[in-house]
Amino acid sequence: DAKTTQPPSMDCAEGRAANLPCNHSTISGNEYVYWYRQIHSQGPQYIIHGLKNNETNEMASLIITEDRKSSTLILPHATLRDTAVYYCIVIIGMAGNNRKLIWGLGTSLAVNP
Amino acid sequence: GAVVSQHPSWVICKSGTSVKIECRSLDFQATTMFWYRQFPKQSLMLMATSNEGSKATYEQGVEKDKFLINHASLTLSTLTVTSAHPEDSSFYICSALSGRAGFNEQFFGPGTRLTVL
Repeated sequence: DAKTTQPPSMDCAEGRAANLPCNHSTISGNEYVYWYRQIHSQGPQYIIHGLKNNETNEMASLIITEDRKSSTLILPHATLRDTAVYYCIVIIGMAGNNRKLIWGLGTSLAVNP
Repeated sequence: GAVVSQHPSWVICKSGTSVKIECRSLDFQATTMFWYRQFPKQSLMLMATSNEGSKATYEQGVEKDKFLINHASLTLSTLTVTSAHPEDSSFYICSALSGRAGFNEQFFGPGTRLTVL
C-alpha cells in the first residue's frame, strides 16, 4: 500500500473550517484514500473514504486531486470535540478480509476556542 | 449500527499474570477482527488478524505464544496476554470488519488500557 505524508500538527479556530492535507504521491489506480480520527485514549473512528471523486458525508468532505497524489479532509465547522489525531491511509480495494491498515503518525488537530 | 465493544476498558495486573481482553461486534457479524497495539505518542501497530474458526495470522515480530487470539464466534474475539511484563503495558485496540454489502469497513473498539506492574 502507498505511503502517506501528513503534517504532524495543525491548529484551527472553533467554528472555522479545518483543512487537513495528505500527500500520497505513490498511490496506484486501485487504492482508496481513507480517513480516520482518534480522540485521546479512544479507538479510531472512521470518517470518510474515496477513490477518485470528491466525497461528502455528515462528518466531513474529502477532496482528491485529479492526479490523486494528494487529498484534503475538510471539517466545515470545527468544534472543540473535533480535537483529535487524524489519519490518512491508502489501501487497495474494498473487498476481501485481508485489508490491513498501515497507520502513520497522522495530524494532531487542535481546535481552539 | 456497527458498534464494537471491548472489555475491560482498563486493567492493572502484576507481572507474570495473564490478562484476557474481549472484543465484541454488537450489531453485526464479523468473520474478521484485527488486534492493534498502541504505545504512548505512537501510531497503531497491527498485531494480528483473527478469522472466525481458524488460527490467527500474526504480524512479523509478534509472538503468537505470548499473545493468544481466539475467534470462536462471529461476534467475539479474545486476546490473552500471557505472562505479562511491564513492557506489555500498552493500549490494545480491536477492530471488526463489517462485511456489509458495498461497505466492507473496519469498525474499532474503544480500546483497553493494560498496565503491568
